[in-house]
Amino acid sequence: AQSVAQPEDQVNVAEGNPLTVKCTYSVSGNPYLFWYVQYPNRGLQFLLKYITGDNLVKGSYGFEAEFNKSQTSFHLKKPSALVSDSALYFCAVSDFSGGYNKLIFGAGTRLAVHP
Amino acid sequence: EPEVTQTPSHQVTQMGQEVILRCVPISNHLYFYWYRQILGQKVEFLVSFYNNEISEKSEIFDDQFSVERPDGSNFTLKIRSTKLEDSAMYFCASSNRDHSYNEQFFGPGTRLTVL
Repeated sequence: AQSVAQPEDQVNVAEGNPLTVKCTYSVSGNPYLFWYVQYPNRGLQFLLKYITGDNLVKGSYGFEAEFNKSQTSFHLKKPSALVSDSALYFCAVSDFSGGYNKLIFGAGTRLAVHP
Repeated sequence: EPEVTQTPSHQVTQMGQEVILRCVPISNHLYFYWYRQILGQKVEFLVSFYNNEISEKSEIFDDQFSVERPDGSNFTLKIRSTKLEDSAMYFCASSNRDHSYNEQFFGPGTRLTVL
């Protein structure tokens, strides 16, 4: 079964510093990986995805993610954090085992960026 | 930019009552989904819907749940007889394709509180 793990409940970063939010995955077949962000009282917003090709994927709001097949990881990164990046971040993987697509989410990581 | 909308934002109901959660997916999307997130837990897949029928459903989606697309724009989730454990945030999502590499677009959610 497809699964993702987010080992950190919370990540604290000072504004202007680089940030990393970790995600590891376990899949059978090709991994299709996603990052979503949830701001307070808002839905899940799509940030970026990895399908194939370049291991460094660029997405919205200056975020990028690095796919590492040998480490089965898909960490979310940003070179310089903003206070407005503070939110809940979810890693997800596609599961097509039932013949139709569904997303399997990690538990989420709360990112707190301090001024 | 088109987005998924959901109503109401918050629904409070008594145990045993029926509730209907409403969603308006993005207009040219054909694939629709419901997910839920119990407070402090993962976002979980409930059901997917295409061509006026359920494509796939999870173990959570028992006989108390049903989905419907009553007209060309709305997509509803009905819980016939709510239980305390149904209290959660319910997210609707839509997608224009059902491939593993297609992202899903989520609404802001409906917070259901069962008393």
